[in-house]
Amino acid sequence: SQTIHQWPATLVQPVGSPLSLECTVEGTSNPNLYWYRQAAGRGLQLLFYSVGIGQISSEVPQNLSASRPQDRQFILSSKKLLLSDSGFYLCAWTAGVTQYFGPGTRLTVL
Amino acid sequence: GQQLNQSPQSMFIQEGEDVSMNCTSSSIFNTWLWYKQDPGEGPVLLIALYKAGELTSNGRLTAQFGITRKDSFLNISASIPSDVGIYFCAGPLRGTASKLTFGTGTRLQVTL
Repeated sequence: SQTIHQWPATLVQPVGSPLSLECTVEGTSNPNLYWYRQAAGRGLQLLFYSVGIGQISSEVPQNLSASRPQDRQFILSSKKLLLSDSGFYLCAWTAGVTQYFGPGTRLTVL
Repeated sequence: GQQLNQSPQSMFIQEGEDVSMNCTSSSIFNTWLWYKQDPGEGPVLLIALYKAGELTSNGRLTAQFGITRKDSFLNISASIPSDVGIYFCAGPLRGTASKLTFGTGTRLQVTL
């Protein structure tokens, strides 16, 4: 069966520091992968999606970037965090239309 | 754009009551998905609907794909405390099967 992992689970970072969040999927090959951000009490905002290794599409201009160095690995990065980057970051994979989400990373930027 | 409007925004109900929430759009969708998100966790898929008029059940949950393909309903019967969470509807964006648009969510609180 397929599983999706995210780490770290929680992160507290100072403004201006770098960021690296990792997502890995097991049990499937060549999945579409997605990064979402969710502000407190709000809906899901799609940040990036990838249909294959090295293929990244950005949905929202921001100071975040994404990379897919391996088929089942998706990384969200930033060189300098802003206060507004705080939120709950979710990774998802899909085969077809249905998306399956990871457990999320809670990021607090102070 | 293809926006999904969910109502109600939040609900406070007593344990044992039935719950009904809906999702509407001005655009046609070919698939409707319903997710539940527990606090601090990722959304979990509850029900997927693929055909207009389709009625699908998953335990105490029942969802319907509206005939017009512009709406969907989710009902929960005999609510229990673990039903607490945020319920999202979602559907694929026009022109792509790989990106979803999500509703704004319905927050459900269950009191004993």
